[in-house]
Amino acid sequence: GNSVTQMEGPVTLSEEAFLTINCTYTATGYPSLFWYVQYPGEGLQLLLKATKADDKGSNKGFEATYRKETTSFHLEKGSVQVSDSAVYFCAPHNTDKLIFGTGTRLQVFP
Amino acid sequence: NAGVTQTPKFQVLKTGQSMTLQCAQDMNHEYMSWYRQDPGMGLRLIHYSVGAGITDQGEVPNGYNVSRSTTEDFPLRLLSAAPSQTSVYFCASSSGLGSYEQYFGPGTRLTVT
Repeated sequence: GNSVTQMEGPVTLSEEAFLTINCTYTATGYPSLFWYVQYPGEGLQLLLKATKADDKGSNKGFEATYRKETTSFHLEKGSVQVSDSAVYFCAPHNTDKLIFGTGTRLQVFP
Repeated sequence: NAGVTQTPKFQVLKTGQSMTLQCAQDMNHEYMSWYRQDPGMGLRLIHYSVGAGITDQGEVPNGYNVSRSTTEDFPLRLLSAAPSQTSVYFCASSSGLGSYEQYFGPGTRLTVT
């Protein structure tokens, strides 16, 4: 089955710093790749996605590129804000059994 | 559209009690699933359904039952609650047909004493 490895958190940054959250996955075939974000007290919501190799997903200043050769989908943002503080989940999906990882908590301080 | 709704938002049970967590979606999605979220464990899949009348087990199905009699509803039943089932439960849906983008409900926080 599919699995995903994300960097341990929390990731602590100052406002306007550069963010990278690493994600590598194992999957059969060629999954679609997703990043979800969970703000405090809420459910998960889709942040961005990429459906094939070399695609770049982007939203709200966040970007991630589907790297088939390294089976990675690292999340980046050039300048984080306090409002970006949340838990981020990377997820490869290509079967009906949808698996998420442990998530990475991001804390941004002013 | 209301999207994915869950009730109740909070619930406290005593060990051995039973209850049903409700989940409904109004997007005509075929695929629905239940997850539990525990500190440091991320999201773990409990049960899922690819359409009315079809359900299957996820990673942690023990102690939980589901059924899918309609496209809209996917209730999760705890037959005999245990303290180990204290968690936050999320329901999610997607359209299927190769689109796996998940839409999540707001969650139910369950405490079993």
